[in-house]
Amino acid sequence: EAGVAQSPRYKIIEKRQSVAFWCNPISGHATLYWYQQILGQGPKLLIQFQNNGVVDDSQLPKDRFSAERLKGVDSTLKIQPAKLEDSAVYLCASSPELWRAFFGQGTRLTVV
Amino acid sequence: EDQVTQSPEALRLQEGESSSLNCSYTVSGLRGLFWYRQDPGKGPEFLFTLYSAGEEKEKERLKATLTKKESFLHITAPKPEDSATYLCAVIIQGAQKLVFGQGTRLTINP
Repeated sequence: EAGVAQSPRYKIIEKRQSVAFWCNPISGHATLYWYQQILGQGPKLLIQFQNNGVVDDSQLPKDRFSAERLKGVDSTLKIQPAKLEDSAVYLCASSPELWRAFFGQGTRLTVV
Repeated sequence: EDQVTQSPEALRLQEGESSSLNCSYTVSGLRGLFWYRQDPGKGPEFLFTLYSAGEEKEKERLKATLTKKESFLHITAPKPEDSATYLCAVIIQGAQKLVFGQGTRLTINP
């Protein structure tokens, strides 16, 4: 079974620039999550989709972050403009039922 | 406020030296508790789900237990390949999201 695919693996940008991350979940998984993991901390949920709809985006900084899930499959997470404190690993996960999540390898973002 | 706290932050053991990692939670109502393993540069990998106090799950050298206030991940006779960060996460009543602790970084020396 193919896992959760994310790209790119690494990204370095300057502050105030924009960046986008892509996620392809495991086939058939209805729930998709984006997490932010700052070095030395546990993952923090940014947004959760159930098929096309948003279930929870309470911790998404909506003035700069946006996410969409097209046709209930792939998803993109965008940051515009980026700040230094956005440097982190962005993890995408999917699950066949709520909560038992399978994670991708993540995208490591460095904002300089 | 719902909180998940893991201890210790880091643990260094000799190969074969058994120990336990702790995950304590203060939540309004627990629906489930998860343990994940995370290797450097990789996403978390699912280990166990526990739903009710008294429940235990085992996998190779790992055993997870759950009480009403905390969970333990016991590691018996660990090997260097068990070195990783172990993350605990909870689902609370009325919410549909995983809330993670900060993790315990485990190092097993040969």
